[in-house]
Amino acid sequence: GAGVSQSPRYKVAKRGQDVALRCDPISGHVSLFWYQQALGQGPEFLTYFQNEAQLDKSGLPSDRFFAERPEGSVSTLKIQRTQQEDSAVYLCASSSKETQYFGPGTRLLVL
Amino acid sequence: GNSVTQMEGPVTLSEEAFLTINCTYTATGYPSLFWYVQYPGEGLQLLLKATKADDKGSNKGFEATYRKETTSFHLEKGSVQVSDSAVYFCALSDVGDDYKLSFGAGTTVTVRA
Repeated sequence: GAGVSQSPRYKVAKRGQDVALRCDPISGHVSLFWYQQALGQGPEFLTYFQNEAQLDKSGLPSDRFFAERPEGSVSTLKIQRTQQEDSAVYLCASSSKETQYFGPGTRLLVL
Repeated sequence: GNSVTQMEGPVTLSEEAFLTINCTYTATGYPSLFWYVQYPGEGLQLLLKATKADDKGSNKGFEATYRKETTSFHLEKGSVQVSDSAVYFCALSDVGDDYKLSFGAGTTVTVRA
């Protein structure tokens, strides 16, 4: 069956540019998570949705980061006025109970 | 808060050697424990999991036992192959924390023929 998909797979942005990263979860999965993975590190939690409700956004590093899931399926992570420290792989996961299934990630490079 | 500490790498082994990657955790509740694997150029894949104390997760010849008394979830494989070369991440989730995952820093394993 189809897994979690993310687009784009790679994104190069100039500092100050806005970017939008898309996640298509596994059909029927209620929960959706976003993580940020810096080079050589484990993923760090950013935010969590249950259906369309954003229940936890405690991991978002600044108010430049914004996520939405308006219809409880596809989610978008938006980063405004990108900075070099935003360069990382952004991972999306959807879950059935306690097990999360990850997409391939979007590798963001801010120049 | 919840946290995971895993053995630092990199680890380099010969084919058919025994592999152990240590993982210990700190949690406020009763977490589920996971090992995820990231093969070169690929995304994170669930390798195995255990949801309660003394459970053993196993998959592809890998095993890990949930030890509450030592707060550990060490990953083992008796005979590694070149295809096991990857980055391995230990992680936990807690129902009290909406199941969000806390990851260790990852251990890079290279298996040489």
